[in-house]
Amino acid sequence: AQSVTQLGSHVSVSEGALVLLRCNYSSSVPPYLFWYVQYPNQGLQLLLKYTSAATLVKGINGFEAEFKKSETSFHLTKPSAHMSDAAEYFCAVSEGGSQGNLIFGKGTKLSVKP
Amino acid sequence: DTAVSQTPKYLVTQMGNDKSIKCEQNLGHDTMYWYKQDSKKFLKIMFSYNNKELIINETVPNRFSPKSPDKAHLNLHINSLELGDSAVYFCASSRGLAGRSETQYFGPGTRLLVL
Repeated sequence: AQSVTQLGSHVSVSEGALVLLRCNYSSSVPPYLFWYVQYPNQGLQLLLKYTSAATLVKGINGFEAEFKKSETSFHLTKPSAHMSDAAEYFCAVSEGGSQGNLIFGKGTKLSVKP
Repeated sequence: DTAVSQTPKYLVTQMGNDKSIKCEQNLGHDTMYWYKQDSKKFLKIMFSYNNKELIINETVPNRFSPKSPDKAHLNLHINSLELGDSAVYFCASSRGLAGRSETQYFGPGTRLLVL
């Protein structure tokens, strides 16, 4: 069965600092991996996804993630945090089968200090 | 234009009541989903529909019954509400059975509180 582990339920950075949110996956088949962001009291919005093309994936709002098969990781980074980046971030893997079901990690709350 | 919409946004009700949550998508997608997000923010799939047919039904109590009158709508009816049903329920949609890489688009959520 596929699964996702997000290390760190809460990450705090200063404005302008590097953002690194960790995600490790477990999958018996080549995975499709996603990062979603949830702003307070809102639904989830796709940041980026890996679909077996380029291993370095660029997303919206300056975020990017690198797929590393040897490390079974898909960490999310942003060079310089902005106050508006404060949100909950979810890593997800697409489950086997044709329906594209998503298995989510437990989320990482990002706080940005001025 | 709202791609995936849900009504109501907030729902406060008493234990034992029956309630429904509605979801509509205007993206022309074939597949729709219901997810439950608990108080610890953990998200889990409940149901998946493709072209009005149930594809996935996770281990959800049969008090929960999804209904899809057409491709653009997937409603969730909950009978005999329990305290543990309090959560945020998200509807989502995707282009369909086009493989495992399809992006899912989420609605704003319905915050259900059972008293």
